[in-house]
Amino acid sequence: NAGVTQTPKFQVLKTGQSMTLQCAQDMNHNSMYWYRQDPGMGLRLIYYSASEGTTDKGEVPNGYNVSRLNKREFSLRLESAAPSQTSVYFCASSAGGPSNQPQHFGDGTRLSIL
Amino acid sequence: AQSVTQLGSHVSVSEGALVLLRCNYSSSVPPYLFWYVQYPNQGLQLLLKYTSAATLVKGINGFEAEFKKSETSFHLTKPSAHMSDAAEYFCAVSVNSGGYQKVTFGTGTKLQVIP
Repeated sequence: NAGVTQTPKFQVLKTGQSMTLQCAQDMNHNSMYWYRQDPGMGLRLIYYSASEGTTDKGEVPNGYNVSRLNKREFSLRLESAAPSQTSVYFCASSAGGPSNQPQHFGDGTRLSIL
Repeated sequence: AQSVTQLGSHVSVSEGALVLLRCNYSSSVPPYLFWYVQYPNQGLQLLLKYTSAATLVKGINGFEAEFKKSETSFHLTKPSAHMSDAAEYFCAVSVNSGGYQKVTFGTGTKLQVIP
């Protein structure tokens, strides 16, 4: 019962470094999402992929890029990390289509930028 | 555009007492509504969802929520709190937007259960 798997679980970076957060789902879902969670702000959408081969910006895309590698995998890249990107990052997936489909979340990546 | 407002960022209840977590939404189209629960160091898990089949929705762990269109509310309740209910709860609204499922989350309510 893997569901949505995120790697790594924790990471500390220095300002200006780059890294890629990995996400994979085994539920044959069409849609995948990247969120960031900050205290008191709920979840904010960074990027999403409605279906394989498509990606679109969400609410807070600046400083990030994404790749929908295949139907299973959706990665998030920080090209030049900044302290403002310190956050907990969640990947989610859903069947897509009708809006009554719930999202399934990974356990998150806790990222600190020094 | 849609939005979600969760009243109270922190709620404390005694073990065995009623749990009431408030959620109000706004949406220009009929929404689908969800409650998720997040335990420490975990991702969000679906608690229940409203999909217009019934206004009173039952979820896992004894939680339920009632959709009230006239009040644009979707409050979460549980008759008797258990220590294991201590977590953060998120209300979310989902609408179709050009073939994409646009989901907006509330800012969350942390539930503390006092023994």
